[in-house]
Amino acid sequence: NAGVTQTPKFQVLKTGQSMTLQCAQDMNHEYMSWYRQDPGMGLRLIHYSVGAGITDQGEVPNGYNVSRSTTEDFPLRLLSAAPSQTSVYFCASSPPGGRGTEAFFGQGTRLTVV
Amino acid sequence: AQSVAQPEDQVNVAEGNPLTVKCTYSVSGNPYLFWYVQYPNRGLQFLLKYITGDNLVKGSYGFEAEFNKSQTSFHLKKPSALVSDSALYFCAVSGYTNAGKSTFGDGTTLTVKP
Repeated sequence: NAGVTQTPKFQVLKTGQSMTLQCAQDMNHEYMSWYRQDPGMGLRLIHYSVGAGITDQGEVPNGYNVSRSTTEDFPLRLLSAAPSQTSVYFCASSPPGGRGTEAFFGQGTRLTVV
Repeated sequence: AQSVAQPEDQVNVAEGNPLTVKCTYSVSGNPYLFWYVQYPNRGLQFLLKYITGDNLVKGSYGFEAEFNKSQTSFHLKKPSALVSDSALYFCAVSGYTNAGKSTFGDGTTLTVKP
């Protein structure tokens, strides 16, 4: 059971480039989310999804797009990369059951924008 | 709005001594509280959660946490620390419809010295 898989693990982008961070889970979880982790700032929610075809914004959505065409996949798109988007990105999923269910995290993608 | 505070950036303890990592929260209604651990270059791993019931919650690797409603706290504890417990610990609260929209604290780095 692979759990939550993120690709790539590392990425360097030039300012203005676009890219997609991939996230896939094989646990049939309805809920998926993207966080960014910056030193001293914990995890901040970017976007989340409560099921296929349904997405919503989190705390820091600007500069990012998401879509959820299948239960398994939840890609995060950077439209025009900026140095402020240098961060570690985590994808997470959680099973149905409401807010009492814990999240399962991927290994993270370390993104550097130069 | 919901929030979590981890007042200590760093906690240092000697191996074999008890450890406490502090967390306070603010949320409307009943809180759902979580602790996660992050080892270097890894994703977050779930440790334990409080949903309802007994105020002392037991979790993985010998960790436990005490929920105190009057003090709005959910401190993580372990009776005897191990060097391998050294990691970054996050407290999270869920006050929305699912754990995918949890709010995380800024994290506390625990260092256990031999």
